[in-house]
Amino acid sequence: DAGVIQSPRHEVTEMGQEVTLRCKPISGHDYLFWYRQTMMRGLELLIYFNNNVPIDDSGMPEDRFSAKMPNASFSTLKIQPSEPRDSAVYFCASRIGGSYGYTFGSGTRLTVV
Amino acid sequence: AQSVTQPDIHITVSEGASLELRCNYSYGATPYLFWYVQSPGQGLQLLLKYFSGDTLVQGIKGFEAEFKRSQSSFNLRKPSVHWSDAAEYFCAVGAKTGANNLFFGTGTRLTVIP
Repeated sequence: DAGVIQSPRHEVTEMGQEVTLRCKPISGHDYLFWYRQTMMRGLELLIYFNNNVPIDDSGMPEDRFSAKMPNASFSTLKIQPSEPRDSAVYFCASRIGGSYGYTFGSGTRLTVV
Repeated sequence: AQSVTQPDIHITVSEGASLELRCNYSYGATPYLFWYVQSPGQGLQLLLKYFSGDTLVQGIKGFEAEFKRSQSSFNLRKPSVHWSDAAEYFCAVGAKTGANNLFFGTGTRLTVIP
């Protein structure tokens, strides 16, 4: 298995633009998590899905952030419009229910200028 | 409310020296505890976890951690550090029931000098 795959690895965009981050979880994993990592706040959970259904999105900072999981093999995190304070590394992770064996992707480093 | 504190932002050790990274947690229930390692530009890799039973747990790469309930601590140790251990280390706590997510500490960056 190739692990959790995130794309792009790096994204530089201008303030006000729409940004879409992508994640492919490990096949068979029924939980998917989106985390954001910044120097100031560390790793924060944004949202997680179980069987493609959003369970807890209380960590999503603002309405500018949205996440979807249209099927078991794909999820997106969208920021519209983007702002410089959104600059961070965004991680996707997946696991099988009943197990705490999280597998993290390599992350997407987002820079908003 | 749950929280994880890693009081050391940055630690420098000599290669071959012993290592201890501190982690304290605050949790309303009996927690699951984890240590992850993050190499530059990489995702997080699980080093070890504690669910129950023996309070001294062994992990990968020669790491171990000890759960001390009375001190609400879960410190990570390694008897002899290798240069390849230089990375960022995260302690995390999760619930045994209910919510399924992990709460992470802010991390400790480890530098290894020759």
